[in-house]
Amino acid sequence: GENVEQHPSTLSVQEGDSAVIKCTYSDSASNYFPWYKQELGKRPQLIIDIRSNVGEKKDQRIAVTLNKTAKHFSLHITETQPEDSAVYFCAATISADGLTFGKGTHLIIQP
Amino acid sequence: DGGITQSPKYLFRKEGQNVTLSCEQNLNHDAMYWYRQDPGQGLRLIYYSQIVNDFQKGDIAEGYSVSREKKESFPLTVTSAQKNPTAFYLCASSTWTGDTDTQYFGPGTRLTVL
Repeated sequence: GENVEQHPSTLSVQEGDSAVIKCTYSDSASNYFPWYKQELGKRPQLIIDIRSNVGEKKDQRIAVTLNKTAKHFSLHITETQPEDSAVYFCAATISADGLTFGKGTHLIIQP
Repeated sequence: DGGITQSPKYLFRKEGQNVTLSCEQNLNHDAMYWYRQDPGQGLRLIYYSQIVNDFQKGDIAEGYSVSREKKESFPLTVTSAQKNPTAFYLCASSTWTGDTDTQYFGPGTRLTVL
């Protein structure tokens, strides 16, 4: 089955700086890669996603890049703000199959 | 997200008891999913269903059972065979159109075994 590795487990950045979280996946058939943000005790919320026929997608301060050959994808957050502090999860799947998640990155925005 | 509900929010169970977690959606989504989240961990797939009256095991199905008799409902039963059931359980649904497979999560049920 699919296996997703996520790094780093904790990331601390100064407010206003950029943050990058990286994930690798094992199954070359995976074609959908979402990123979720989860605040303490809450449900995961989708922040951005990308399909395998696209190399990059951007939504305001958030962008995701995908390298199918290397089987890795990354989340980029620019101009970080205090409200960006949360746990971020990457995931991979084939169409409507269940998601395989990474173990998460705890992002800390230092004032 | 508001179209997916889970109940109860908190659930306490004695060892040896079966318990059923509810998940309902009014989004007209075809696919529904159950995940388990342990503290400091990612989500792990328990079961999923892409169509009524059909479901597939996920990565950690042992000790759990599901049914999908209606499109709107996908209840999860945690049986006494599940050795370590204390966790946060999240239900999700998606449209499965091929163009977008976004999974939307319910608010979760926190299960504690006493």
